[in-house]
Amino acid sequence: DGGITQSPKYLFRKEGQNVTLSCEQNLNHDAMYWYRQDPGQGLRLIYYSQIVNDFQKGDIAEGYSVSREKKESFPLTVTSAQKNPTAFYLCASSQGRTGELFFGEGSRLTVL
Amino acid sequence: GQQLNQSPQSMFIQEGEDVSMNCTSSSIFNTWLWYKQDPGEGPVLLIALYKAGELTSNGRLTAQFGITRKDSFLNISASIPSDVGIYFCAGLIDNLFFGTGTRLTVIP
Repeated sequence: DGGITQSPKYLFRKEGQNVTLSCEQNLNHDAMYWYRQDPGQGLRLIYYSQIVNDFQKGDIAEGYSVSREKKESFPLTVTSAQKNPTAFYLCASSQGRTGELFFGEGSRLTVL
Repeated sequence: GQQLNQSPQSMFIQEGEDVSMNCTSSSIFNTWLWYKQDPGEGPVLLIALYKAGELTSNGRLTAQFGITRKDSFLNISASIPSDVGIYFCAGLIDNLFFGTGTRLTVIP
C-alpha cells in the first residue's frame, strides 16, 4: 500500500544528543514536509522540500536540519541546539503545492 | 507565519447532534482545507476548497470557503462516536498554515 512511514514512533533521548527521525514515502510525491505539533497548538512547519537536493526553512527551522538525497526520503535531525525538542513530529508529502498533504503517523520525541 | 483562529477550542456533544466550527484569519488564502487527527496519529484530509464562496460536501461533512477568502467553516451532521478527534483548518498561500484545532468529544 502507498503511504508515508515514520520511525521510530517513540523516542527518548538525553539532553544534548542529536536525534534523527526517519520519513519514507512511496507515493512518488515531489514535495515533503516536516511539522512540529505541541499540545494546544496547530502544526508548525519546520522544513520542506519540493525537489531532490533542495529544501527550504519553515517557520521554526532553528535547531533542526534535513536532507533530501532521494525522492522517497526526508530525514529530520533534531540537534542539541533546539531548546525545547520534546514534541510530536509529523512528516507529510504532497504532489504539487495544493495543500493536500498525506501525513505519516508521527514520531513522539521526549528529551529527558 | 500566518495566524488562523479556530473556534471553538473544544466541544462536547451528544451523539446525533450537529457540529459547527470555524476558522478566521486576517490574511487572504487561495485554498482552505480541513483535516482530522485521531489520537496519536497524523492528520487526514477531509475536505479541500479552492474558490471563494465554494460549498463542498463529503458525506456528513459540509465546508465553505468564505467569500472574503479570510474564513471557512466546517459542519458535521448527525455526529457519531468515531467523529471524535481534533479538527484542523488550514489555509494555503505560498505555504500551508494550520489553525490550533477544535477538539471534538462525542458522548454516546
